[in-house]
Amino acid sequence: AQSVTQLGSHVSVSEGALVLLRCNYSSSVPPYLFWYVQFPNQGLQLLLKYTTGATLVKGINGFEAEFKKSETSFHLTKPSAHMSDAAEYFCAVDTGGFKTIFGAGTRLFVKA
Amino acid sequence: DGGITQSPKYLFRKEGQNVTLSCEQNLNHDAMYWYRQDPGQGLRLIYYSQIVNDFQKGDIAEGYSVSREKKESFPLTVTSAQKNPTAFYLCASSKDRGRTGELFFGEGSRLTVL
Repeated sequence: AQSVTQLGSHVSVSEGALVLLRCNYSSSVPPYLFWYVQFPNQGLQLLLKYTTGATLVKGINGFEAEFKKSETSFHLTKPSAHMSDAAEYFCAVDTGGFKTIFGAGTRLFVKA
Repeated sequence: DGGITQSPKYLFRKEGQNVTLSCEQNLNHDAMYWYRQDPGQGLRLIYYSQIVNDFQKGDIAEGYSVSREKKESFPLTVTSAQKNPTAFYLCASSKDRGRTGELFFGEGSRLTVL
């Protein structure tokens, strides 16, 4: 069965520090992979996606992620955290069949 | 601007009442979805629709119903049969009928059962 695991329900970093949010997936077919961000009481918005081609994907607001097939991972990084990055982040996988499967989410806290 | 509009944003319901959450999109997308979000559980798919007059159950359809009479609209009814309806409900759409691709989300509706 397809699944998404996000390691760490909460991550705390200092402003200016590296952000690393971990995501591992399982899929029996080549996956489409996504990272979404959610601010309080709002919907989700797309940060970046991997479908085919280049495995390092750049998204909005300085975020990027690398698809590593051998590790079944799609970790999200940002070199320098900003206070405005504080939000909940969701990794998701689409394996076809109209079902996008979401991870449980990781809440990012940014300390001044 | 194109987007998805959900209403109401907040809704309170007494036990035993049905409530309907509205979802309208002007993105001209074929596919629409309803997700339920609970703390620490991510998003779970309730129903989805690939085309007008057609919809399919997702992973947690029990106690919910939907209709898709127009391309732009995909309302969700939370019935009294839903045992634990208090949650944040998100409507989404996608352009492609094939693989889901990017999902576009509304702002959500928070339902509280008193």
